Amino acid sequence: DADVTQTPRNRITKTGKRIMLECSQTKGHDRMYWYRQDPGLGLRLIYYSFDVKDINKGEISDGYSVSRQAQAKFSLSLESAIPNQTALYFCATRIGYAGDTQYFGPGTRLTVL
Amino acid sequence: AQSVTQLGSHVSVSEGALVLLRCNYSSSVPPYLFWYVQYPNQGLQLLLKYTTGATLVKGINGFEAEFKKSETSFHLTKPSAHMSDAAEYFCAVSSPNNAGNMLTFGGGTRLMVKP
Repeated sequence: DADVTQTPRNRITKTGKRIMLECSQTKGHDRMYWYRQDPGLGLRLIYYSFDVKDINKGEISDGYSVSRQAQAKFSLSLESAIPNQTALYFCATRIGYAGDTQYFGPGTRLTVL
Repeated sequence: AQSVTQLGSHVSVSEGALVLLRCNYSSSVPPYLFWYVQYPNQGLQLLLKYTTGATLVKGINGFEAEFKKSETSFHLTKPSAHMSDAAEYFCAVSSPNNAGNMLTFGGGTRLMVKP
């Protein structure tokens, strides 16, 4: 079984709808991250969490919110989706040391019409 | 602030040829440097990383990279390309000083391998 899972893998929605993307991990890591990937821009950080009570904004948090329900679960919400939020979204986890590897989920492809 | 520049959004090589993917970074402190690979419809997978010690780092699938502080570079190489190397490659930088020890990614380089 995969260490980092994301649901759904693909989602098509309409402008103005609320969307939740979910991430679960079995690696036991404290730190979890949400990124979006756009062609030519690489991955940009949306939010990150050190533990259940510690959530921080990343580079591009506007229009997004997150919830850390447990050490293993970190959800990303789009309260009112807009077309320029169409992207590939990745969840990642890491133990905590800056030189440690981040482990990525398979991604969620979101299309907002 | 830290940043990463990957020269060339697309690189095409013939099977068996040398692969060279370029990465330059900026960081106010000694960086940690990473190369990740993304195969179609998959997440990112670590190829190799530099944290401390030997500046020539060997990774999976025959890839290696050399940290050159004077040139602020961390170029990725492989002596002989294989068809299975076709993927997108991302260089990333982190440091112990930034909040959250965040990774900052370059824009990515798509490697195409011709038969």
